Amino acid sequence: QSVLTQPPSVSAAPGQKVSISCSGGSSNIGKNYVSWYQQQLPGTAPKLLIYDNNKRPSGIPDRFSGSKSGTSATLGITGLQTGDEADFYCATWDSSLSVVLFGGGTKLTVL
Amino acid sequence: EVKLVESGGGLVQPGGSLRLSCAASGFTFSRYEMNWARQAPGKGLEWVSYISSSGSRIYYADSVKGRFTISRDDAKNSLYLQMNSLRVEDTAIYYCARDADSPSGFDYWGQGTLVTVSS
Repeated sequence: QSVLTQPPSVSAAPGQKVSISCSGGSSNIGKNYVSWYQQQLPGTAPKLLIYDNNKRPSGIPDRFSGSKSGTSATLGITGLQTGDEADFYCATWDSSLSVVLFGGGTKLTVL
Repeated sequence: EVKLVESGGGLVQPGGSLRLSCAASGFTFSRYEMNWARQAPGKGLEWVSYISSSGSRIYYADSVKGRFTISRDDAKNSLYLQMNSLRVEDTAIYYCARDADSPSGFDYWGQGTLVTVSS
């Protein structure tokens, strides 16, 4: 069981928006920046979507957004496309454990 | 173009050892902090280890501490993971990942190398 808690799955129709939550604690999300990753297929290289809570690397469309409040973070995706179907992971540093934590992952289905 | 290419995976018996390598190109390797992460079959991502750009700071996940050793050779633009006392539960695809030039995020990942621990 992951220290960072994500919903196992979310779904929405094409064109709609979805939010994926990532809940942690005071020593991890509460104290450090959060990043988000998209993995199109298990076993393929993840892609950085959001870093430093809410920044997008070049090439990532502004349909993807990130936010953080207290000990939780949220990834938002608007204008859903079938190509967005993937597994999404949050990650952050834990200052007490001195480790990087990944959330358990959320599978997005675009119906 | 930034490239990270892992190698060294394979089939090994429980208790055995393997050394993974990650060849980096397209950037000044010595400037960047690096990581290993893994993904067991049907499971999520798990961070394994971190090494600072100077090599002076190293961290490990509890699941591998005392068995795995991360290292780097800046002259060869390479990252390594020495894995000893391997267990069945270490079976996974192992990725090397570059730390973004910011407080958080792994901005580039390799394609991964599969390690299978089985008798």
